[in-house]
Amino acid sequence: AQKVTQAQTEISVVEKEDVTLDCVYETRDTTYYLFWYKQPPSGELVFLIRRNSFDEQNEISGRYSWNFQKSTSSFNFTITASQVVDSAVYFCALSVRNYGQNFVFGPGTRLSVLP
Amino acid sequence: EAGVVQSPRYKIIEKKQPVAFWCNPISGHNTLYWYLQNLGQGPELLIRYENEEAVDDSQLPKDRFSAERLKGVDSTLKIQPAELGDSAVYLCASSDGQGGDIQYFGAGTRLSVL
Repeated sequence: AQKVTQAQTEISVVEKEDVTLDCVYETRDTTYYLFWYKQPPSGELVFLIRRNSFDEQNEISGRYSWNFQKSTSSFNFTITASQVVDSAVYFCALSVRNYGQNFVFGPGTRLSVLP
Repeated sequence: EAGVVQSPRYKIIEKKQPVAFWCNPISGHNTLYWYLQNLGQGPELLIRYENEEAVDDSQLPKDRFSAERLKGVDSTLKIQPAELGDSAVYLCASSDGQGGDIQYFGAGTRLSVL
């Protein structure tokens, strides 16, 4: 079975602080994809990043960076110098080839960035 | 390029009434998904279409929920009759159907059943 855990339910930081959102996944398949989505108050899930199981190279995109470690089944997301506009719910998701590519979402982490 | 469009954004009905949600996916996307999102939780898949065919509806409560995707473009999700526990956000997403494909989501329909 596939499962995604986001242990942090809510996080509050002050603007300009760095914050890391944790994601731990479970799957027995060797071919899978991991995603992060952002859901602002407007409700629409916005795609942030996709990684496949064969590429553990970490990635940086502006203030965002991702740390993928197969050894610990983790795919963590860091926002550097957070801004108020980063306030949202962030979801980690898993897609497995042998599961019809359906997404399994984690429960989400609500990030509040205070001015 | 237009994103995934859903309507209505909000719907308030009384229990036992029927309700329908509409979704227009991104042009050219042959895969369409309907998700249910309860408050404080992640989305859960209800049904997935590949063109006109429902290829995964194992999580759809078929006694009261139905969906269709005529002509493989727009889709409608219906609940009849609605129950109090159906209050949630119903999200539609689409993708181009490639392996590990990215799903693009609409803004959702927030349903309140009174």
